[in-house]
Amino acid sequence: AQSVTQPDIHITVSEGASLELRCNYSYGATPYLFWYVQSPGQGLQLLLKYFSGDTLVQGIKGFEAEFKRSQSSFNLRKPSVHWSDAAEYFCAVGEYGNKLVFGAGTILRVKS
Amino acid sequence: GAVVSQHPSRVICKSGTSVKIECRSLDFQATTMFWYRQFPKKSLMLMATSNEGSKATYEQGVEKDKFLINHASLTLSTLTVTSAHPEDSSFYICSAIGLAGGLGYNEQFFGPGTRLTVL
Repeated sequence: AQSVTQPDIHITVSEGASLELRCNYSYGATPYLFWYVQSPGQGLQLLLKYFSGDTLVQGIKGFEAEFKRSQSSFNLRKPSVHWSDAAEYFCAVGEYGNKLVFGAGTILRVKS
Repeated sequence: GAVVSQHPSRVICKSGTSVKIECRSLDFQATTMFWYRQFPKKSLMLMATSNEGSKATYEQGVEKDKFLINHASLTLSTLTVTSAHPEDSSFYICSAIGLAGGLGYNEQFFGPGTRLTVL
């Protein structure tokens, strides 16, 4: 079965600093990979996705992620964090039947 | 973009009552809708997959008689929590995928969620 690991439960960064959120997946074939963001009490918003092709994927709000097959990773990055980026971030892998398997999430705190 | 709504956004009910949550795709036809449950400080757990005009497929461990799902049209799926108890209190989120795929995987569009509190 597919699984997604987000090793960091909480991360705190200073506003303006760079950010990297880690995601590792377990999947037998070429994965469909996603990053979502969830603000408190809200649903999920898609930040970016990887299906195939260029392994560096650009998303909304200045986020990017890099697919590394050799490391089974799909880490999310942002060069300069804004206070409004504080939220919970979920990595997910798509599996058969269009289902999504989510990681446990990483809560991002931004300090000014 | 594709918009999915949920109603109500928040509901409080007494133990033993039933609660219905609606999930609507507003600007596209959804062949499939998914229902998730999210516990505090936890990830989303898929409860069931709902296909229009057919019975929902429940994930292992989810009580189908407890969580009734109906997908009567291409724009509406409902989740009814029957005889709710405090342990059913949670954040319920739906998602929907449209008719067209193209890349072998159809993107899910998420609703804003419904906060259920059972007293």
